Amino acid sequence: GDSVTQMEGPVTLSEEAFLTINCTYTATGYPSLFWYVQYPGEGLQLLLKATKADDKGSNKGFEATYRKETTSFHLEKGSVQVSDSAVYFCALSRQAGTALIFGKGTTLSVSS
Amino acid sequence: GAVVSQHPSWVICKSGTSVKIECRSLDFQATTMFWYRQFPKQSLMLMATSNEGSKATYEQGVEKDKFLINHASLTLSTLTVTSAHPEDSSFYICSARERGGMNTEAFFGQGTRLTVV
Repeated sequence: GDSVTQMEGPVTLSEEAFLTINCTYTATGYPSLFWYVQYPGEGLQLLLKATKADDKGSNKGFEATYRKETTSFHLEKGSVQVSDSAVYFCALSRQAGTALIFGKGTTLSVSS
Repeated sequence: GAVVSQHPSWVICKSGTSVKIECRSLDFQATTMFWYRQFPKQSLMLMATSNEGSKATYEQGVEKDKFLINHASLTLSTLTVTSAHPEDSSFYICSARERGGMNTEAFFGQGTRLTVV
C-alpha cells in the first residue's frame, strides 16, 4: 500500500543552520505531496505542497521539490530560526476525497 | 485559508464516561472529514472517514462501537468516545478537505487532548 517514510529525528540545529528533512514515498500513480508542521500543543498546518513531478513547493523559506525519479520530497530551508522548532510531517494524497497518508514526523529543535 | 474548529481543545474525564468531540468547518463545506489519533511522538493514525449523511468508514482495528462518529451536516462531524478508559487517552485531530480533486488542501482542527483518569 501507499506509504511515506521520513528521516528519524530529533534534528537539532543552531540558528541559521541549513535544514534538510528527507521524505520518500511509495504510491502508485501520481500522488500529491505535502509538508505539514505541528507546533507544540497545536494541530497541523499546511507548510507547502506539490502536485506533479518537478513541482517545487515553497513557503516561509522552506522548499521541497517533487522528484518522481527518486520518489522523494525532501524539505529544505537555508537558515532556520528558533521559531521553526516543531514537528514536520510529510504526507501524500493519492485519490480525491481520501485521507492523507503521513510519515511518522520529524522533530526539529533549533537553539539560539 | 479555510478554518476547521475542534472543540474542546482538552478534556479530562473519568473512566467509564463518554466524551464528545466536535469538528466544524467554519467557512467551507466538507463532505468528508477525517478523524486521526496521535500518540506521543508518533504520527497521525487514521481512525475513520466521516461522510456527510452516511455511516463512517473505520480503519482496521478501530472499534466503531467505541468511537462513534456522526456527520450530520456539511460543516459538522462529531466523535464520541464511549465508556472511555485510560488507554483511550490521546490527542485526537479532525481534518476536512474542501470539495475538489486530490490537490485540495486538508485543513486540520487544533486537536483535542483527552485524558481519562
